[in-house]
Amino acid sequence: SQTIHQWPATLVQPVGSPLSLECTVEGTSNPNLYWYRQAAGRGLQLLFYSVGIGQISSEVPQNLSASRPQDRQFILSSKKLLLSDSGFYLCAWRKKTGDTGELFFGEGSRLTVL
Amino acid sequence: RKEVEQDPGPFNVPEGATVAFNCTYSNSASQSFFWYRQDCRKEPKLLMSVYSSGNEDGRFTAQLNRASQYISLLIRDSKLSDSATYLCVVTATSGTYKYIFGTGTRLKVLA
Repeated sequence: SQTIHQWPATLVQPVGSPLSLECTVEGTSNPNLYWYRQAAGRGLQLLFYSVGIGQISSEVPQNLSASRPQDRQFILSSKKLLLSDSGFYLCAWRKKTGDTGELFFGEGSRLTVL
Repeated sequence: RKEVEQDPGPFNVPEGATVAFNCTYSNSASQSFFWYRQDCRKEPKLLMSVYSSGNEDGRFTAQLNRASQYISLLIRDSKLSDSATYLCVVTATSGTYKYIFGTGTRLKVLA
């Protein structure tokens, strides 16, 4: 069966510090991968998605970036965090074909920028 | 107009009640539709996909109305454990890999 993990689960960072969140999918190959952010009391905002290694599509202009160095690894980064980067970051995956397209989420990473 | 709109609630219902949520979407080219459940401070989890003919999974029934561009979720015989936020999700356009989430409808089932 497929699993998705992301880490760290919780982090508190000062403004201006760097960020790296990692996400790994197991039990499948060539998945589509996604990063979402959920601000407190708000809906999920799509940040990035990737259909393959090195292929990243950005949805929202911001100081975040994403990379996909391996087939099942997706990384979210920032060089300098802003207060507005606080939120709940969710990695998700889906199969490319052979199903009805459901998204499956990791446990999330809760970021507080102070 | 938001791409996906939901009544934020909260819907406070007694145990055993039947409750229905609606969700409207703006893009007529959307092809895939889902309901997710999100517990407080947790990740969203797939509740059910929504098919054109409507579908049922136990106490949950989902319907799609393409002409009016809305989907619905009906929960029968509500349980305390059904208390959560229910998210409506649609794909952005036909064949796309992008998913658009509604802001969710909060349900609280009362003893």
